[in-house]
Amino acid sequence: EIVMTQSPATLSVSPGDRATLSCRASQTVSSNLAWYQQTPGQAPRLLIYDASIRATGIPARFSGSGSGTEFTLTISSLQSEDFAIYFCHQYNNWPPYTFGQGTKLEIK
Amino acid sequence: EVQLEESGGGLVQPGGSLRLSCVASGFSFGGYGMNWVRQGPGKGLEWVSGVSGSGSTTFYADSVKGRFTISRDNSQNTLYLQMNSLRVEDTAIYYCAKAARGYSGSRFDYWGQGILVTVSS
Repeated sequence: EIVMTQSPATLSVSPGDRATLSCRASQTVSSNLAWYQQTPGQAPRLLIYDASIRATGIPARFSGSGSGTEFTLTISSLQSEDFAIYFCHQYNNWPPYTFGQGTKLEIK
Repeated sequence: EVQLEESGGGLVQPGGSLRLSCVASGFSFGGYGMNWVRQGPGKGLEWVSGVSGSGSTTFYADSVKGRFTISRDNSQNTLYLQMNSLRVEDTAIYYCAKAARGYSGSRFDYWGQGILVTVSS
């Protein structure tokens, strides 16, 4: 089973600033990695897939990069609605699909 | 518009059973793999089970293998999860999630709002 490790667990950033979230896989997942956003009481929403492709309707301030075992989600200028929990998800080696434990992005 | 709506959750005693349903609309249901993903209280996401578009191939997490059964009725655009021998640690919000492909290693592009399953005496 591939273990996904996200860092940091919590990230405090001011509105308008840039946020950088990391996700590391215990073995290579190629580019088969997605990022999801979850706000309180809501279902996860797909943001990025294949490591760097924005999903339909996702603003350009969200970008993903990386391949192999190291991945990054960058939010270029934080808006109030971006403060949420973010999960990475590998779909290269399955079953099982595995997720990171999440990074909580909070207002500084 | 893709919509996924779960039902069937609730409170059950340890050792009991529940069947979750997920009704889908807005896409060609039989053409896509479907999954169940759960989230325990204050925890992250855990993939539980998946099924191919035709229903012929199923997959399970080790934590539920032998206790849970995933199935689908493509004529009714409905996904199911039969949960038997429930344990306290199965307590979670259960989401149905649509795969972006038939089933060959895929992101989950749409999720339902989730349904709460509580296992407690």
